[in-house]
Amino acid sequence: GAGVSQSPSNKVTEKGKDVELRCDPISGHTALYWYRQSLGQGLEFLIYFQGNSAPDKSGLPSDRFSAERTGGSVSTLTIQRTQQEDSAVYLCASSSFGAGYDTGELFFGEGSRLTVL
Amino acid sequence: QQQVKQSPQSLIVQKGGISIINCAYENTAFDYFPWYQQFPGKGPALLIAIRPDVSEKKEGRFTISFNKSAKQFSLHIMDSQPGDSATYFCAASPWNNNDMRFGAGTRLTVKP
Repeated sequence: GAGVSQSPSNKVTEKGKDVELRCDPISGHTALYWYRQSLGQGLEFLIYFQGNSAPDKSGLPSDRFSAERTGGSVSTLTIQRTQQEDSAVYLCASSSFGAGYDTGELFFGEGSRLTVL
Repeated sequence: QQQVKQSPQSLIVQKGGISIINCAYENTAFDYFPWYQQFPGKGPALLIAIRPDVSEKKEGRFTISFNKSAKQFSLHIMDSQPGDSATYFCAASPWNNNDMRFGAGTRLTVKP
């Protein structure tokens, strides 16, 4: 696709349920990022995948959060046993860093808005 | 554990005025400093970026000033326009791995 695609764009769930958020990065981009943006707040780093290297998971807020990236492309962020404080917009970004034409620029999707009731 | 500290949280400027947003960092491994602009309902988009081999970079009305010794950098928007009203994020990463960390954001409102 032309840009980073995220789905679903909106998700409403009940407290305690599991949710999966999907990110399709720009084709050929080797770096993929997940950030969380709470209402009116900044971009909280969650996880960073770079090629075949071990991901930087240092931003995941608890063991209820996990993410994987299959085949170096699509990524899924999973939140288990959701809590009301998990309500936020989850943003995915990709960059060409490491793919031989590095600019360092992150390209963001429009986010997945999660509401936990 | 915010690695990049940004101020102010919000800023109101009259049309034609200068908007100034400041950021500071601690990690000396950072050597790439971009600014991103975000409109409501959209993801952030790169506005301008600088590496520490220069102290200033200008693109149109947007200028980054960089002070390596103080570990600070700032965004100046000259002749601010209502269309500049958005949230601005500074960010930093080590160039060798692009592990990008963002500031808390500044909501800029430019009044006509």
